[in-house]
Amino acid sequence: EAGVTQSPTHLIKTRGQQATLRCSPISGHTSVYWYQQALGLGLQFLLWYDEGEERNRGNFPPRFSGRQFPNYSSELNVNALELEDSALYLCASTTSNQPQHFGDGTRLSIL
Amino acid sequence: QQQVKQSPQSLIVQKGGISIINCAYENTAFDYFPWYQQFPGKGPALLIAIRPDVSEKKEGRFTISFNKSAKQFSLHIMDSQPGDSATYFCAASFSRDDKIIFGKGTRLHILP
Repeated sequence: EAGVTQSPTHLIKTRGQQATLRCSPISGHTSVYWYQQALGLGLQFLLWYDEGEERNRGNFPPRFSGRQFPNYSSELNVNALELEDSALYLCASTTSNQPQHFGDGTRLSIL
Repeated sequence: QQQVKQSPQSLIVQKGGISIINCAYENTAFDYFPWYQQFPGKGPALLIAIRPDVSEKKEGRFTISFNKSAKQFSLHIMDSQPGDSATYFCAASFSRDDKIIFGKGTRLHILP
């Protein structure tokens, strides 16, 4: 069974640009979670999508947004990038009452 | 109220020793407490998890001890091996498929 896949592995942007990160869940999983792992801040919940709808979001500004497609894959968009957005962005997938499985993340670097 | 506090930040243990990581929480509505293991360059992987109605759960060399009244739980790694060197996160959520609130992590290094 293929795990959660994320692309790209690394992404380098400059301040003010926009970034798009992608996630493909495990087959059969309908929920996708996004987390940010920033140095010194640990893993923080960003967004939760289930059946195409945004179910919950963490304490992040509106320039962090995303969507879930009919095939349950998901996209995270970060607008107006700031230096503090440099982090590893992790996607996890799950289905009803199952634990979350994580991908290996996208390393976003802001220059 | 939704924080999970984890200690120590880093831990060095001799090969064959016992590694112990401690966590505490405030919100009694948490119903699921997983531990994740993360190697450099990889995403977190679920190691072992427990529900608050169970005081202890053991899987191989890994044991979770849970004290509901004290709102504390801990991970014990018996016979620690160099391959166990990784960052460990305790966590809590309101259900198995809900958002996860993570502790800050413990960097564990096992000396060969």
